[in-house]
Amino acid sequence: QQQVKQSPQSLIVQKGGISIINCAYENTAFDYFPWYQQFPGKGPALLIAIRPDVSEKKEGRFTISFNKSAKQFSLHIMDSQPGDSATYFCAASKKTGGGNKLTFGTGTQLKVEL
Amino acid sequence: GAGVSQSPSNKVTEKGKDVELRCDPISGHTALYWYRQSLGQGLEFLIYFQGNSAPDKSGLPSDRFSAERTGGSVSTLTIQRTQQEDSAVYLCASSSGLATYEQYFGPGTRLTVT
Repeated sequence: QQQVKQSPQSLIVQKGGISIINCAYENTAFDYFPWYQQFPGKGPALLIAIRPDVSEKKEGRFTISFNKSAKQFSLHIMDSQPGDSATYFCAASKKTGGGNKLTFGTGTQLKVEL
Repeated sequence: GAGVSQSPSNKVTEKGKDVELRCDPISGHTALYWYRQSLGQGLEFLIYFQGNSAPDKSGLPSDRFSAERTGGSVSTLTIQRTQQEDSAVYLCASSSGLATYEQYFGPGTRLTVT
């Protein structure tokens, strides 16, 4: 059972445009929603994260929009740059006595063209 | 400061051999996670350590997989009698503690079983 669904699988955006990646989750117990950026041959790097008590969080060119009732959240990359070309993963976790293991989406390959 | 380090970066082994993968978490981080990234399964959780104990081993795919952590720091993931389906990138992440959500990943070990 895939608990976090991510779309699109791949995305091509022109330089300066807005990249939008969407995720949907099933488990209402999730209470932490991070986005990770991964370049080839590297580990995932934490980009930005949100808790369900807010609807939006912005850090520089990156914004998370969160819709608790719809169980959806999205990443918006404003003024996309070629250096943003990478694979992006959404994830979710819930705090338990056994830690905060992350459940990941399947990833989106973003390419920003000049 | 230093991030999460993993060794080796690449490992090629023959089917049936045992392998050990090492993770050095960020200094002072008490929580440590192992994940596996493969083409077919995406990023999936394997095991979680808090200190030297492993309260969540639910992601280990079979009894051929085991992990330990000593001194609350270095962790070793051991795969016995490797199979071709074990080929993947094994990622380690650390977090500063039970009350903290953010996880920081290492560069991973790429395991190839021939």
